[in-house]
Amino acid sequence: GQNIDQPTEMTATEGAIVQINCTYQTSGFNGLFWYQQHAGEAPTFLSYNVLDGLEEKGRFSSFLSRSKGYSYLLLKELQMKDSASYLCAVGGRGTYKYIFGTGTRLKVLA
Amino acid sequence: DVKVTQSSRYLVKRTGEKVFLECVQDMDHENMFWYRQDPGLGLRLIYFSYDVKMKEKGDIPEGYSVSREKKERFSLILESASTNQTSMYLCASSLLRTSGTYEQYFGPGTRLTVT
Repeated sequence: GQNIDQPTEMTATEGAIVQINCTYQTSGFNGLFWYQQHAGEAPTFLSYNVLDGLEEKGRFSSFLSRSKGYSYLLLKELQMKDSASYLCAVGGRGTYKYIFGTGTRLKVLA
Repeated sequence: DVKVTQSSRYLVKRTGEKVFLECVQDMDHENMFWYRQDPGLGLRLIYFSYDVKMKEKGDIPEGYSVSREKKERFSLILESASTNQTSMYLCASSLLRTSGTYEQYFGPGTRLTVT
């Protein structure tokens, strides 16, 4: 079967670092995406990993291990505006579709 | 900037009505998608289209149909709305790649309530 797992909720403090994990089991793999979604808004693209390793983009980094079916999103120097849901999605080989995880709701506290 | 627009932000319809949700993208993307998003279930794909007049079923196509007559426009049709179709509907678009996938760009969503 195809499955993506993420924690449902996380809480962290402003200025801290938080790591949001995502594990997946999919038939085929063609890249892993992270999206941010603020309440009541559309998801927006954050990062894409297709090869193993770390991709860094400012305060956000994303890591992928294909052999372990594992990714994480690392958010540094947390700000209140980072309070949002973070969605992990995997692209399947031979298809244009993704499978989305149910998302991790991150609350950043002052 | 890619822009994906949806015809309504909020919509209230009665059971049995035919409902049209429209989506337009301005970046000449080949792929377009319709999802619904429900608490605890995440984003689920209803239908997608990779070209004009081409469509494929997603994971939950029952009770829905789609139309893509022009590249920039992708419509979702609820033939006979039911209360279990109350949800947030999100349209997305992406470029086509011969292998692999590109990031998707989402519209603002339509919150549909069926009473």
